[in-house]
Amino acid sequence: DAEITQSPRHKITETGRQVTLACHQTWNHNNMFWYRQDLGHGLRLIHYSYGVQDTNKGEVSDGYSVSRSNTEDLPLTLESAASSQTSVYFCASSGTGSYGYTFGSGTRLTVV
Amino acid sequence: AQTVTQSQPEMSVQEAETVTLSCTYDTSESNYYLFWYKQPPSRQMILVIRQEAYKQQNATENRFSVNFQKAAKSFSLKISDSQLGDTAMYFCAFMKEPYFGNEKLTFGTGTRLTIIP
Repeated sequence: DAEITQSPRHKITETGRQVTLACHQTWNHNNMFWYRQDLGHGLRLIHYSYGVQDTNKGEVSDGYSVSRSNTEDLPLTLESAASSQTSVYFCASSGTGSYGYTFGSGTRLTVV
Repeated sequence: AQTVTQSQPEMSVQEAETVTLSCTYDTSESNYYLFWYKQPPSRQMILVIRQEAYKQQNATENRFSVNFQKAAKSFSLKISDSQLGDTAMYFCAFMKEPYFGNEKLTFGTGTRLTIIP
């Protein structure tokens, strides 16, 4: 069965370290997205991609970067982790957007 | 930019009762899509129901139905015969007509629903 997987499920890192969160999908979807979830803010878009070599900034992109070298993967990198980036991160993908997204199970990141 | 507002941060209801979660949105678009997602304690995001704005008929999925009022920009979710498994965070979300460059979902802040045995 097709799926979208995120790893790790939980991570603790120190302030200033570079961190990469993985997202891998086998749906063959062109569209991939990264969101962060914080209490009182819902899910906010960090970065997104509509295909290989395409990346775009979302509403909360500062301090984050992504790259898309193939259809299956969209890793999210925190260049220098900050405590404000403690959050739950969701990756999602879609083929035709009007039917919504398929989400990964999330990564809980704690920056200490 | 589109905004989605969920004005009820938390709700609770007795098992088997009916509950309605509110959602309003702001957009100048004429065609768009609206969604309700459920997030149980497992953290998984699950699509509950989807509504196309150009369709007058309200969407239904088993015990879940929506009241879509386009003029009022309102999109509420009704859960009938509530069950303990309905305990979750519920997110309302908006998407413009999705052609290339528009497939982004905008989420509300969520409503935490607790079903009481």
